[in-house]
Amino acid sequence: AQKVTQAQTEISVVEKEDVTLDCVYETRDTTYYLFWYKQPPSGELVFLIRRNSFDEQNEISGRYSWNFQKSTSSFNFTITASQVVDSAVYFCALSEAGGGSNYKLTFGKGTLLTVNP
Amino acid sequence: ETGVTQSPTHLIKTRGQQVTLRCSSQSGHNTVSWYQQALGQGPQFIFQYYREEENGRGNFPPRFSGLQFPNYSSELNVNALELDDSALYLCASRIQGINTIYFGEGSWLTVV
Repeated sequence: AQKVTQAQTEISVVEKEDVTLDCVYETRDTTYYLFWYKQPPSGELVFLIRRNSFDEQNEISGRYSWNFQKSTSSFNFTITASQVVDSAVYFCALSEAGGGSNYKLTFGKGTLLTVNP
Repeated sequence: ETGVTQSPTHLIKTRGQQVTLRCSSQSGHNTVSWYQQALGQGPQFIFQYYREEENGRGNFPPRFSGLQFPNYSSELNVNALELDDSALYLCASRIQGINTIYFGEGSWLTVV
């Protein structure tokens, strides 16, 4: 069975601080996808990134960066120079590789990030 | 813009009633799935439809049912509503050939 653990329930930082959100996953699949989503108070899940299990390159997009380490089954997300608009709940999710068109996502419980001015 | 829209955005129902939630996707979104998100929790997979057939289901009872239509729209139906069904219901779809799953804004259901 697949499982995603986000050990940090809540994080509070001051604007301009860097913050890292942790994600640890479990799966028996050899090929899978990892995702991060942002959920503002309005409720919509905003897609941030998808990573294939066979692509361990780290990725940077503006102030966002992701560190994927297959050896430790972790896919951590760092926001550099945080801003108040980054305040939201962030979810890490895992899915199979899509064999048989199964794209079920298994989510962690989310991390509430509050960025204070 | 995700190309996924849901309606209604908010609704209140009485225990025992039935509810239908709707989702509309753009052309090419051939896989649609529904998730239930209780307050303070991560979304839980309800079921998935591919080419109008259910091809995956989570741990939800049969009173949760769905449909997918040829025009890429779908429905989630919940019968005999219970208080614990109060949640945010999220529709998600995948563009054919791209393994990224996009979500709609959700429907907030309150059962009283």
